Amino acid sequence: GQSLEQPSEVTAVEGAIVQINCTYQTSGFYGLSWYQQHDGGAPTFLSYNGLDGLEETGRFSSFLSRSDSYGYLLLQELQMKDSASYFCAVGYTGGFKTIFGAGTRLFVKA
Amino acid sequence: SQTIHQWPATLVQPVGSPLSLECTVEGTSNPNLYWYRQAAGRGLQLLFYSVGIGQISSEVPQNLSASRPQDRQFILSSKKLLLSDSGFYLCAWSRTSTGELFFGEGSRLTVL
Repeated sequence: GQSLEQPSEVTAVEGAIVQINCTYQTSGFYGLSWYQQHDGGAPTFLSYNGLDGLEETGRFSSFLSRSDSYGYLLLQELQMKDSASYFCAVGYTGGFKTIFGAGTRLFVKA
Repeated sequence: SQTIHQWPATLVQPVGSPLSLECTVEGTSNPNLYWYRQAAGRGLQLLFYSVGIGQISSEVPQNLSASRPQDRQFILSSKKLLLSDSGFYLCAWSRTSTGELFFGEGSRLTVL
C-alpha cells in the first residue's frame, strides 16, 4: 500500500526548534516532499528529498532515509507565523502520483 | 511566470445536482495536473492526475470524473453530488516528478 504516518499535533515555543517526522510505505517510492498550509489556504511547497540526506532552505530543513522509509522536517527559530499544518507527501509511479499524509498541526506559543 | 487558477471559489449545491470545477494553468506547457480533495481538518486525498491531454488516472472510483480537454485545462465533474462530496477541492500542477506541486486557490464545496 501507499500510506504515510505523521503526528497529528505538535506544540512548541517561539524561537525553539521542532521536528516533524514522517514514515511511509516503500512500494514505488520516488521522493519525499513537505508542504505548509495555513487555515483556509492552499498548501505551499517547502522542500523535496529525492536522495538520502539533509536539504536546507533557510529556517527549514528536511531529511530522508530511504533505508528506514523515514523523513523529517526541521523548523528552526520558530515564529508565530509558522503555526500551520505541515504535510509530508510521497511521490510514486515515477513521481507523477503524489500522496499526502494526514498532516501535522503545529502550534507555536509565545 | 506560471499561474494556476481554479473556479468557482465557493459553491453550495443540493444533493443530486451536477458539479463542474475548472482549473487552468498559464505560463507552462504539458504540465502534470492533479485534483485533490481535503475534508475539514484532514489531509489531501488524491482524486485524479493527468500527464497529458486525454490521459486521466483515477485514484477514487466514486461519482467523480475528470477530463483534460486541452493541455492546460483540467475539469472535475459529477453528474449527481452526494453529501460526502463536500470538501475543499484543490487543483495542482507540476513540471516534473520532483515533488513540487503548485496549488490553485481551492474550491470549497458544500453539498446540502
